[in-house]
Amino acid sequence: AQSVTQPDIHITVSEGASLELRCNYSYGATPYLFWYVQSPGQGLQLLLKYFSGDTLVQGIKGFEAEFKRSQSSFNLRKPSVHWSDAAEYFCAVASGSGNTGKLIFGQGTTLQVKP
Amino acid sequence: GAGVSQTPSNKVTEKGKYVELRCDPISGHTALYWYRQSLGQGPEFLIYFQGTGAADDSGLPNDRFFAVRPEGSVSTLKIQRTERGDSAVYLCASSLGTSGAEQYFGPGTRLTVT
Repeated sequence: AQSVTQPDIHITVSEGASLELRCNYSYGATPYLFWYVQSPGQGLQLLLKYFSGDTLVQGIKGFEAEFKRSQSSFNLRKPSVHWSDAAEYFCAVASGSGNTGKLIFGQGTTLQVKP
Repeated sequence: GAGVSQTPSNKVTEKGKYVELRCDPISGHTALYWYRQSLGQGPEFLIYFQGTGAADDSGLPNDRFFAVRPEGSVSTLKIQRTERGDSAVYLCASSLGTSGAEQYFGPGTRLTVT
Protein backbone atom coordinates (compact mmCIF):
# COMPACT_ATOMS: atom_id res chain seq x y z
CA ALA A 1 0.00 0.00 0.00
CA GLN A 2 1.09 3.52 -0.66
CA SER A 3 2.39 5.44 2.31
CA VAL A 4 4.23 8.59 3.24
CA THR A 5 6.56 8.97 6.20
CA GLN A 6 7.74 12.22 7.69
CA PRO A 7 10.33 11.16 10.26
CA ASP A 8 10.48 14.47 12.10
CA ILE A 9 7.38 15.37 14.07
CA HIS A 10 8.76 18.68 15.30
CA ILE A 11 11.66 20.83 14.10
CA THR A 12 12.96 24.10 15.53
CA VAL A 13 15.26 26.38 13.54
CA SER A 14 16.52 29.89 14.04
CA GLU A 15 15.30 32.64 11.75
CA GLY A 16 17.67 32.98 8.83
CA ALA A 17 18.93 29.41 9.12
CA SER A 18 18.46 26.81 6.42
CA LEU A 19 15.72 24.21 6.61
CA GLU A 20 15.25 20.67 5.38
CA LEU A 21 12.10 18.66 6.06
CA ARG A 22 12.29 14.98 5.27
CA CYS A 23 9.74 12.89 3.40
CA ASN A 24 9.91 9.25 2.35
CA TYR A 25 7.26 7.53 0.30
CA SER A 26 6.28 4.04 -0.66
CA TYR A 27 4.70 3.76 -4.08
CA GLY A 28 4.94 1.17 -6.84
CA ALA A 29 5.04 3.44 -9.87
CA THR A 30 6.38 6.90 -10.54
CA PRO A 31 4.70 9.01 -7.90
CA TYR A 32 3.11 12.39 -8.04
CA LEU A 33 4.49 14.14 -4.94
CA PHE A 34 3.34 17.24 -3.15
CA TRP A 35 4.23 19.47 -0.22
CA TYR A 36 1.47 21.39 1.54
CA VAL A 37 1.67 23.92 4.36
CA GLN A 38 -1.01 24.45 7.00
CA SER A 39 -0.92 27.56 9.17
CA PRO A 40 -3.14 27.88 12.25
CA GLY A 41 -6.68 28.67 11.17
CA GLN A 42 -5.75 28.38 7.51
CA GLY A 43 -6.50 25.77 4.94
CA LEU A 44 -3.84 23.60 3.37
CA GLN A 45 -1.84 25.47 0.73
CA LEU A 46 0.20 23.81 -1.98
CA LEU A 47 3.90 24.72 -1.87
CA LEU A 48 5.13 22.64 -4.79
CA LYS A 49 4.62 19.41 -6.70
CA TYR A 50 6.62 16.89 -8.68
CA PHE A 51 5.28 14.82 -11.57
CA SER A 52 8.26 14.11 -13.83
CA GLY A 53 11.29 15.70 -15.41
CA ASP A 54 13.71 17.84 -13.46
CA THR A 55 14.07 16.30 -10.02
CA LEU A 56 14.58 19.68 -8.35
CA VAL A 57 11.32 21.60 -8.22
CA GLN A 58 10.77 25.16 -7.16
CA GLY A 59 7.73 26.28 -5.25
CA ILE A 60 6.21 29.31 -3.67
CA LYS A 61 7.64 31.26 -0.73
CA GLY A 62 11.21 30.33 -1.64
CA PHE A 63 10.80 26.58 -1.06
CA GLU A 64 12.25 23.84 -3.21
CA ALA A 65 12.20 20.05 -3.08
CA GLU A 66 14.32 17.33 -4.61
CA PHE A 67 12.96 13.99 -5.80
CA LYS A 68 15.41 11.11 -5.29
CA ARG A 69 14.03 7.88 -6.67
CA SER A 70 16.89 5.76 -5.29
CA GLN A 71 16.09 6.93 -1.77
CA SER A 72 12.30 7.17 -2.20
CA SER A 73 12.57 10.67 -0.83
CA PHE A 74 11.16 14.10 -1.57
CA ASN A 75 12.74 16.45 0.95
CA LEU A 76 11.67 20.07 1.25
CA ARG A 77 14.30 22.79 1.62
CA LYS A 78 14.57 26.51 2.15
CA PRO A 79 17.90 28.36 2.34
CA SER A 80 16.78 31.00 4.85
CA VAL A 81 13.77 30.58 7.09
CA HIS A 82 11.51 33.50 8.02
CA TRP A 83 9.42 33.69 11.18
CA SER A 84 6.28 33.50 9.03
CA ASP A 85 7.29 30.00 7.89
CA ALA A 86 6.27 28.58 11.27
CA ALA A 87 3.49 26.14 10.42
CA GLU A 88 2.66 22.47 9.86
CA TYR A 89 4.11 20.91 6.72
CA PHE A 90 2.68 17.86 4.99
CA CYS A 91 4.17 15.68 2.31
CA ALA A 92 1.70 13.78 0.13
CA VAL A 93 1.59 11.33 -2.75
CA ALA A 94 -1.26 11.07 -5.24
CA SER A 95 -2.65 7.58 -5.14
CA GLY A 96 -5.44 5.42 -6.36
CA SER A 97 -6.09 3.33 -9.40
CA GLY A 98 -7.42 5.17 -12.39
CA ASN A 99 -5.59 8.28 -11.32
CA THR A 100 -8.30 9.57 -9.05
CA GLY A 101 -5.82 11.99 -7.60
CA LYS A 102 -6.64 11.21 -3.98
CA LEU A 103 -3.79 12.21 -1.73
CA ILE A 104 -2.05 10.10 0.88
CA PHE A 105 -0.51 12.41 3.48
CA GLY A 106 2.29 11.98 5.95
CA GLN A 107 1.60 12.82 9.57
CA GLY A 108 3.19 16.21 9.24
CA THR A 109 6.16 18.15 10.62
CA THR A 110 5.63 21.13 12.88
CA LEU A 111 8.13 23.88 12.21
CA GLN A 112 8.96 26.33 14.97
CA VAL A 113 11.11 29.36 14.16
CA LYS A 114 13.21 30.98 16.88
CA PRO A 115 13.88 34.72 16.62
CA GLY B 1 -11.98 34.77 -6.56
CA ALA B 2 -13.81 32.70 -3.97
CA GLY B 3 -12.07 29.68 -2.63
CA VAL B 4 -13.51 26.48 -1.22
CA SER B 5 -15.92 27.21 1.60
CA GLN B 6 -17.17 24.86 4.30
CA THR B 7 -20.03 25.24 6.72
CA PRO B 8 -20.33 25.19 9.61
CA SER B 9 -16.82 26.04 10.76
CA ASN B 10 -17.51 24.34 14.07
CA LYS B 11 -20.07 21.75 15.02
CA VAL B 12 -20.66 20.28 18.46
CA THR B 13 -23.07 17.39 18.68
CA GLU B 14 -24.04 14.70 21.10
CA LYS B 15 -23.13 11.08 20.63
CA GLY B 16 -25.74 9.32 18.54
CA LYS B 17 -26.92 12.40 16.67
CA TYR B 18 -26.92 12.98 12.92
CA VAL B 19 -24.79 15.73 11.33
CA GLU B 20 -24.35 17.23 7.89
CA LEU B 21 -21.25 19.07 6.76
CA ARG B 22 -21.36 21.22 3.65
CA CYS B 23 -18.71 22.01 1.06
CA ASP B 24 -18.90 24.66 -1.67
CA PRO B 25 -16.10 24.03 -4.17
CA ILE B 26 -14.49 26.54 -6.47
CA SER B 27 -16.81 27.25 -9.38
CA GLY B 28 -16.04 25.04 -12.36
CA HIS B 29 -14.06 22.45 -10.43
CA THR B 30 -15.29 19.03 -11.42
CA ALA B 31 -13.40 17.01 -8.82
CA LEU B 32 -14.26 17.21 -5.13
CA TYR B 33 -12.58 15.41 -2.22
CA TRP B 34 -13.38 14.91 1.44
CA TYR B 35 -10.62 14.26 3.97
CA ARG B 36 -10.61 13.87 7.74
CA GLN B 37 -7.81 15.20 9.93
CA SER B 38 -7.47 13.99 13.48
CA LEU B 39 -5.35 15.89 16.00
CA GLY B 40 -1.67 15.54 15.26
CA GLN B 41 -2.22 13.61 12.06
CA GLY B 42 -2.20 14.31 8.36
CA PRO B 43 -5.45 14.44 6.42
CA GLU B 44 -6.95 11.06 5.62
CA PHE B 45 -8.87 10.50 2.38
CA LEU B 46 -12.58 9.73 2.68
CA ILE B 47 -14.29 10.07 -0.70
CA TYR B 48 -13.82 11.57 -4.15
CA PHE B 49 -16.43 12.87 -6.60
CA GLN B 50 -16.02 13.42 -10.30
CA GLY B 51 -19.09 15.40 -11.24
CA THR B 52 -22.12 14.02 -9.46
CA GLY B 53 -20.86 10.51 -8.90
CA ALA B 54 -18.68 9.15 -6.14
CA ALA B 55 -15.74 7.73 -8.09
CA ASP B 56 -13.90 6.45 -5.04
CA ASP B 57 -15.39 6.03 -1.57
CA SER B 58 -12.78 3.62 -0.29
CA GLY B 59 -11.85 5.91 2.58
CA LEU B 60 -15.25 6.06 4.26
CA PRO B 61 -14.71 4.29 7.59
CA ASN B 62 -18.12 2.58 7.78
CA ASP B 63 -21.71 2.82 6.60
CA ARG B 64 -22.49 5.62 9.05
CA PHE B 65 -20.70 7.94 6.66
CA PHE B 66 -22.26 9.03 3.39
CA ALA B 67 -21.68 11.89 0.97
CA VAL B 68 -23.62 13.34 -1.94
CA ARG B 69 -23.05 15.87 -4.68
CA PRO B 70 -26.39 15.92 -6.50
CA GLU B 71 -25.74 18.73 -8.97
CA GLY B 72 -22.03 18.33 -9.38
CA SER B 73 -21.18 21.36 -7.29
CA VAL B 74 -22.00 21.55 -3.57
CA SER B 75 -21.35 18.41 -1.57
CA THR B 76 -22.69 17.27 1.78
CA LEU B 77 -20.98 14.78 4.06
CA LYS B 78 -23.49 13.04 6.30
CA ILE B 79 -22.66 11.17 9.48
CA GLN B 80 -25.29 9.08 11.23
CA ARG B 81 -25.25 7.95 14.85
CA THR B 82 -22.13 9.97 15.59
CA GLU B 83 -19.50 8.54 17.90
CA ARG B 84 -16.85 10.31 19.95
CA GLY B 85 -14.22 8.86 17.62
CA ASP B 86 -15.73 10.86 14.76
CA SER B 87 -14.40 14.05 16.35
CA ALA B 88 -11.95 15.59 13.87
CA VAL B 89 -11.56 18.36 11.33
CA TYR B 90 -13.30 17.48 8.08
CA LEU B 91 -11.61 19.02 5.06
CA CYS B 92 -12.99 19.49 1.59
CA ALA B 93 -10.90 20.11 -1.52
CA SER B 94 -11.71 20.70 -5.16
CA SER B 95 -9.69 20.61 -8.36
CA LEU B 96 -10.09 21.18 -12.07
CA GLY B 97 -9.02 17.69 -12.92
CA THR B 98 -7.86 14.59 -11.18
CA SER B 99 -4.43 13.08 -11.16
CA GLY B 100 -1.85 15.72 -10.54
CA ALA B 101 -4.21 18.66 -10.53
CA GLU B 102 -3.76 21.00 -7.60
CA GLN B 103 -6.33 20.45 -4.90
CA TYR B 104 -7.57 23.63 -3.25
CA PHE B 105 -8.58 23.04 0.34
CA GLY B 106 -11.26 24.70 2.40
CA PRO B 107 -10.71 25.81 6.01
CA GLY B 108 -12.45 22.71 7.35
CA THR B 109 -15.27 21.93 9.75
CA ARG B 110 -14.25 21.03 13.27
CA LEU B 111 -16.63 18.35 14.52
CA THR B 112 -16.78 17.59 18.22
CA VAL B 113 -18.91 14.71 19.44
CA THR B 114 -19.62 14.84 23.17
